[in-house]
Amino acid sequence: DTGVSQNPRHKITKRGQNVTFRCDPISEHNRLYWYRQTLGQGPEFLTYFQNEAQLEKSRLLSDRFSAERPKGSFSTLEIQRTEQGDSAMYLCASSFWDSNSPLHFGNGTRLTVT
Amino acid sequence: GENVEQHPSTLSVQEGDSAVIKCTYSDSASNYFPWYKQELGKRPQLIIDIRSNVGEKKDQRIAVTLNKTAKHFSLHITETQPEDSAVYFCAASMPKSSGDKLTFGTGTRLAVRP
Repeated sequence: DTGVSQNPRHKITKRGQNVTFRCDPISEHNRLYWYRQTLGQGPEFLTYFQNEAQLEKSRLLSDRFSAERPKGSFSTLEIQRTEQGDSAMYLCASSFWDSNSPLHFGNGTRLTVT
Repeated sequence: GENVEQHPSTLSVQEGDSAVIKCTYSDSASNYFPWYKQELGKRPQLIIDIRSNVGEKKDQRIAVTLNKTAKHFSLHITETQPEDSAVYFCAASMPKSSGDKLTFGTGTRLAVRP
């Protein structure tokens, strides 16, 4: 499968713990996006990278959230001091830079904070 | 920022009938409008997209129409089949040079009755 890969698929953690998710985009894609999706809602934009540069962050991304893409390939999303409100599906997507390139999503990481 | 509204939230049709889902957007600078299908527990998958220089696009049983003046676009599925049952999301984004994050609608749950 050469699509977007996310790990882990599921994560259950206790409130206050830190968690880290990984995304491996389609190899030739230089843009990588993180979205959050809660039940019954559409995905909400969190942040995106072009190569290793983080170009935009949503106001949804509080200071407990940090994302990196150190070598312009895979990306990690870390949530510190998790809260119950962080429970959601975290989706990663990738695309080419050019205007005709659509976003391809991964299967997501479902986070449950107890 | 961009705001996308989607209607209806649920839609039930008889197999073989047509289904129509409508979306409106707020930012006249948006120029890219994809539609994603999401089955339970799976990734959003692009089914069709349209750009602002085109008024209509068709791919087999699926078509999308765009009215830039009114800032609305619609998804049409003809000859619906049970496997079309899923949640459908519309989205809008501005040109990639302006930061191309997708803003999603809240989704339409389509049920096709056999």
